[in-house]
Amino acid sequence: DGGITQSPKYLFRKEGQNVTLSCEQNLNHDAMYWYRQDPGQGLRLIYYSQIVNDFQKGDIAEGYSVSREKKESFPLTVTSAQKNPTAFYLCASSIQGILPPNYGYTFGSGTRLTVV
Amino acid sequence: EDQVTQSPEALRLQEGESSSLNCSYTVSGLRGLFWYRQDPGKGPEFLFTLYSAGEEKEKERLKATLTKKESFLHITAPKPEDSATYLCAVQAGNTPLVFGKGTRLSVIA
Repeated sequence: DGGITQSPKYLFRKEGQNVTLSCEQNLNHDAMYWYRQDPGQGLRLIYYSQIVNDFQKGDIAEGYSVSREKKESFPLTVTSAQKNPTAFYLCASSIQGILPPNYGYTFGSGTRLTVV
Repeated sequence: EDQVTQSPEALRLQEGESSSLNCSYTVSGLRGLFWYRQDPGKGPEFLFTLYSAGEEKEKERLKATLTKKESFLHITAPKPEDSATYLCAVQAGNTPLVFGKGTRLSVIA
Protein backbone atom coordinates (compact mmCIF):
# COMPACT_ATOMS: atom_id res chain seq x y z
CA ASP A 1 0.00 0.00 0.00
CA GLY A 2 1.23 3.50 -0.85
CA GLY A 3 1.64 6.05 1.87
CA ILE A 4 3.92 8.14 4.03
CA THR A 5 5.92 6.62 6.85
CA GLN A 6 7.22 8.75 9.69
CA SER A 7 9.60 7.41 12.29
CA PRO A 8 10.00 7.20 15.14
CA LYS A 9 6.49 7.68 16.54
CA TYR A 10 7.91 9.03 19.82
CA LEU A 11 11.28 10.76 20.28
CA PHE A 12 12.96 12.20 23.34
CA ARG A 13 15.66 14.82 23.04
CA LYS A 14 18.07 16.07 25.65
CA GLU A 15 18.94 19.74 25.91
CA GLY A 16 21.58 20.73 23.36
CA GLN A 17 21.11 17.62 21.24
CA ASN A 18 20.28 17.44 17.52
CA VAL A 19 17.69 14.87 16.44
CA THR A 20 16.50 13.76 12.99
CA LEU A 21 12.93 12.81 12.13
CA SER A 22 12.44 10.47 9.20
CA CYS A 23 9.81 10.83 6.46
CA GLU A 24 9.56 8.39 3.55
CA GLN A 25 6.86 8.20 0.86
CA ASN A 26 6.18 5.64 -1.87
CA LEU A 27 3.44 7.61 -3.61
CA ASN A 28 5.77 9.03 -6.27
CA HIS A 29 4.78 12.50 -5.12
CA ASP A 30 6.92 15.46 -6.19
CA ALA A 31 6.42 17.79 -3.22
CA MET A 32 6.97 17.15 0.48
CA TYR A 33 6.31 19.26 3.55
CA TRP A 34 7.03 19.46 7.27
CA TYR A 35 4.49 20.97 9.64
CA ARG A 36 4.61 21.47 13.39
CA GLN A 37 1.48 21.18 15.57
CA ASP A 38 1.25 22.43 19.16
CA PRO A 39 -1.73 21.74 21.48
CA GLY A 40 -4.75 23.78 20.41
CA GLN A 41 -2.87 25.13 17.43
CA GLY A 42 -3.15 24.55 13.75
CA LEU A 43 -0.36 23.26 11.56
CA ARG A 44 2.55 25.63 11.00
CA LEU A 45 4.86 25.15 8.01
CA ILE A 46 8.54 24.51 8.74
CA TYR A 47 10.04 23.60 5.34
CA TYR A 48 8.84 22.31 1.98
CA SER A 49 10.41 20.86 -1.13
CA GLN A 50 9.01 20.75 -4.65
CA ILE A 51 11.82 18.79 -6.30
CA VAL A 52 14.91 16.83 -5.35
CA ASN A 53 17.84 18.92 -4.10
CA ASP A 54 15.66 21.99 -3.61
CA PHE A 55 13.71 23.22 -0.57
CA GLN A 56 12.25 26.43 0.82
CA LYS A 57 11.76 27.81 4.33
CA GLY A 58 8.31 28.00 5.77
CA ASP A 59 6.98 30.30 8.48
CA ILE A 60 8.96 28.78 11.38
CA ALA A 61 12.20 27.42 9.87
CA GLU A 62 14.58 28.78 12.54
CA GLY A 63 16.27 25.94 14.43
CA TYR A 64 15.40 23.32 11.81
CA SER A 65 17.17 21.92 8.75
CA VAL A 66 16.14 19.54 5.95
CA SER A 67 17.56 17.70 2.95
CA ARG A 68 15.96 16.25 -0.18
CA GLU A 69 18.52 13.93 -1.78
CA LYS A 70 15.91 11.43 -2.97
CA LYS A 71 12.36 11.93 -4.18
CA GLU A 72 11.08 9.51 -1.58
CA SER A 73 12.77 10.99 1.48
CA PHE A 74 12.60 14.33 3.30
CA PRO A 75 14.24 14.12 6.76
CA LEU A 76 13.92 16.95 9.27
CA THR A 77 16.68 17.76 11.76
CA VAL A 78 15.73 19.61 14.92
CA THR A 79 18.88 21.41 16.03
CA SER A 80 19.92 22.68 19.44
CA ALA A 81 19.11 26.18 18.16
CA GLN A 82 15.39 25.35 18.33
CA LYS A 83 14.54 26.56 21.83
CA ASN A 84 11.09 25.01 22.17
CA PRO A 85 11.05 21.81 20.11
CA THR A 86 8.45 19.85 22.07
CA ALA A 87 5.60 19.36 19.57
CA PHE A 88 3.88 16.97 17.18
CA TYR A 89 5.62 16.91 13.78
CA LEU A 90 3.75 16.01 10.62
CA CYS A 91 5.17 15.20 7.21
CA ALA A 92 3.02 15.45 4.09
CA SER A 93 3.34 15.03 0.34
CA SER A 94 1.46 16.06 -2.78
CA ILE A 95 1.63 15.30 -6.48
CA GLN A 96 2.35 17.94 -9.13
CA GLY A 97 4.47 20.17 -6.93
CA ILE A 98 2.53 22.51 -4.66
CA LEU A 99 -0.48 22.95 -6.90
CA PRO A 100 -3.23 21.15 -5.02
CA PRO A 101 -4.65 17.98 -6.46
CA ASN A 102 -8.29 17.20 -5.80
CA TYR A 103 -7.30 15.18 -2.75
CA GLY A 104 -4.96 17.72 -1.15
CA TYR A 105 -1.98 16.55 0.84
CA THR A 106 -1.35 13.05 2.16
CA PHE A 107 -0.07 13.10 5.73
CA GLY A 108 2.03 10.69 7.75
CA SER A 109 1.04 9.56 11.22
CA GLY A 110 3.36 12.02 12.95
CA THR A 111 6.30 12.04 15.37
CA ARG A 112 5.85 13.35 18.90
CA LEU A 113 9.07 14.99 20.08
CA THR A 114 9.64 15.72 23.76
CA VAL A 115 12.58 17.52 25.34
CA VAL A 116 13.73 15.88 28.56
CA GLU B 1 -0.93 37.84 5.02
CA ASP B 2 -3.20 34.90 4.38
CA GLN B 3 -5.37 34.05 7.38
CA VAL B 4 -7.70 31.19 8.27
CA THR B 5 -9.99 31.41 11.32
CA GLN B 6 -12.08 28.50 12.51
CA SER B 7 -15.01 28.68 14.92
CA PRO B 8 -15.99 27.49 17.37
CA GLU B 9 -12.76 26.19 18.96
CA ALA B 10 -14.70 23.32 20.50
CA LEU B 11 -18.20 21.95 19.98
CA ARG B 12 -20.08 19.38 22.02
CA LEU B 13 -23.14 17.75 20.45
CA GLN B 14 -25.59 15.08 21.43
CA GLU B 15 -25.82 12.19 19.01
CA GLY B 16 -28.24 13.19 16.24
CA GLU B 17 -27.92 16.94 16.93
CA SER B 18 -26.94 18.60 13.63
CA SER B 19 -24.65 21.63 13.55
CA SER B 20 -22.11 23.54 11.46
CA LEU B 21 -18.42 24.42 11.74
CA ASN B 22 -17.16 27.67 10.25
CA CYS B 23 -13.93 28.53 8.43
CA SER B 24 -13.43 32.15 7.42
CA TYR B 25 -10.46 33.16 5.31
CA THR B 26 -8.71 36.21 3.95
CA VAL B 27 -6.51 35.36 0.99
CA SER B 28 -5.82 36.93 -2.35
CA GLY B 29 -6.25 34.54 -5.21
CA LEU B 30 -7.82 31.49 -3.58
CA ARG B 31 -6.87 28.33 -5.45
CA GLY B 32 -8.61 25.88 -3.13
CA LEU B 33 -10.09 25.36 0.33
CA PHE B 34 -9.54 22.02 2.05
CA TRP B 35 -11.21 20.24 4.97
CA TYR B 36 -9.40 17.56 6.97
CA ARG B 37 -10.33 15.35 9.90
CA GLN B 38 -7.69 14.62 12.57
CA ASP B 39 -8.01 11.99 15.30
CA PRO B 40 -5.87 12.33 18.47
CA GLY B 41 -2.25 11.38 17.87
CA LYS B 42 -2.81 10.82 14.13
CA GLY B 43 -2.12 12.72 10.94
CA PRO B 44 -4.93 14.68 9.22
CA GLU B 45 -7.15 12.77 6.83
CA PHE B 46 -8.42 14.50 3.69
CA LEU B 47 -12.17 15.14 3.45
CA PHE B 48 -12.99 17.74 0.76
CA THR B 49 -11.59 20.29 -1.66
CA LEU B 50 -13.66 23.29 -2.72
CA TYR B 51 -12.53 25.62 -5.49
CA SER B 52 -15.20 28.24 -6.16
CA ALA B 53 -18.02 30.07 -4.39
CA GLY B 54 -21.26 28.15 -4.49
CA GLU B 55 -19.57 24.76 -4.65
CA GLU B 56 -20.82 21.98 -2.34
CA LYS B 57 -19.50 18.50 -1.59
CA GLU B 58 -20.94 15.70 0.52
CA LYS B 59 -19.61 12.59 2.18
CA GLU B 60 -21.84 10.52 4.45
CA ARG B 61 -23.02 12.88 7.25
CA LEU B 62 -20.72 15.73 6.18
CA LYS B 63 -21.42 18.50 3.69
CA ALA B 64 -18.98 21.30 2.87
CA THR B 65 -19.98 24.60 1.27
CA LEU B 66 -17.99 27.61 0.09
CA THR B 67 -18.69 31.34 -0.25
CA LYS B 68 -16.28 34.12 -1.17
CA LYS B 69 -15.32 34.67 2.48
CA GLU B 70 -16.03 31.44 4.34
CA SER B 71 -16.73 27.75 4.27
CA PHE B 72 -19.08 25.68 6.39
CA LEU B 73 -18.82 22.04 7.33
CA HIS B 74 -22.34 20.84 8.09
CA ILE B 75 -22.70 17.71 10.18
CA THR B 76 -26.10 16.02 9.94
CA ALA B 77 -27.24 13.64 12.67
CA PRO B 78 -23.71 13.09 14.01
CA LYS B 79 -22.57 9.88 15.66
CA PRO B 80 -19.91 9.42 18.37
CA GLU B 81 -17.46 8.21 15.72
CA ASP B 82 -17.58 11.68 14.14
CA SER B 83 -15.72 13.03 17.20
CA ALA B 84 -12.41 14.49 16.00
CA THR B 85 -10.69 17.77 15.24
CA TYR B 86 -11.72 19.27 11.91
CA LEU B 87 -9.09 21.38 10.16
CA CYS B 88 -9.60 23.91 7.39
CA ALA B 89 -6.79 24.97 5.04
CA VAL B 90 -6.48 27.31 2.08
CA GLN B 91 -4.08 27.68 -0.77
CA ALA B 92 -3.47 31.02 -2.46
CA GLY B 93 -1.18 31.43 -5.42
CA ASN B 94 1.68 28.94 -5.60
CA THR B 95 2.19 28.54 -1.87
CA PRO B 96 1.71 25.62 0.51
CA LEU B 97 -1.51 25.16 2.44
CA VAL B 98 -2.22 27.53 5.35
CA PHE B 99 -4.18 25.87 8.16
CA GLY B 100 -6.62 27.16 10.76
CA LYS B 101 -6.42 26.04 14.40
CA GLY B 102 -9.25 23.56 14.02
CA THR B 103 -12.55 22.80 15.74
CA ARG B 104 -12.62 19.97 18.31
CA LEU B 105 -15.91 18.14 17.92
CA SER B 106 -17.26 15.83 20.61
CA VAL B 107 -20.41 13.81 19.91
CA ILE B 108 -22.00 12.31 23.01
CA ALA B 109 -24.15 9.17 22.81
